[in-house]
Amino acid sequence: DVVMTQSPLSLSVTLGQPASISCRSSQSLVHLNWFHQRPGQSPRHLIYRVSHRDSGVPDRFSGSGSGSDFTLTISRVEAEDVGIYFCMQGSHWPYTFGQGTKLEIK
Amino acid sequence: EVQLVESGGGLVQPGRSLRLSCAMSGLTFDVYALHWVRQGPAKGLEWVAGLNLDSGRIDYADSVKGRFTISRDSAKNSLYLQMNSLRDEDTALYYCGKDATPGGLEYWGQGALVIVSS
Repeated sequence: DVVMTQSPLSLSVTLGQPASISCRSSQSLVHLNWFHQRPGQSPRHLIYRVSHRDSGVPDRFSGSGSGSDFTLTISRVEAEDVGIYFCMQGSHWPYTFGQGTKLEIK
Repeated sequence: EVQLVESGGGLVQPGRSLRLSCAMSGLTFDVYALHWVRQGPAKGLEWVAGLNLDSGRIDYADSVKGRFTISRDSAKNSLYLQMNSLRDEDTALYYCGKDATPGGLEYWGQGALVIVSS
């Protein structure tokens, strides 16, 4: 199975400042997705195929990378962005998730 | 509006069975893939089972292989997970999900809570 490794596992960011989360895979892939999960809610899909934002996702969220090295960037963190961010690969079965990165406001 | 609604969760003793259902609406059911994903208490996301509608492939996580069975009813736009020989470690919130693009798993339900305890 493809192993997904996220870093950092926690992040504390000042409102209005940028934030970046790294996701590395043990195999090369193109179907790299990002999710955001708030406490008590289902994961919300943000980005598919590395860099394509879902409809309704604010443009402060962007995805980048290729091969086995990917990044989610929030250009200016807002209060509603707190929660846990997961990467997930869908190129190889079974789909696999990163451990999650907890974003807090400093 | 896309909706995925799970049902069938509950409290069950170790060794017993439970069947989860997921009713889907507002989407094209029979394309790409359908999945079950679980999240244990204060844990991350674990993919449990998947059904690739394009290839017919069915796959399971090693932790549930031989105990869980994923199936679908296209006429009812519904996905199921039959869970047998349940263990304490199967306690989790179980989400059904569906790809909107290949490899995407964009759509998720609200989750069905399964608690395995004596």
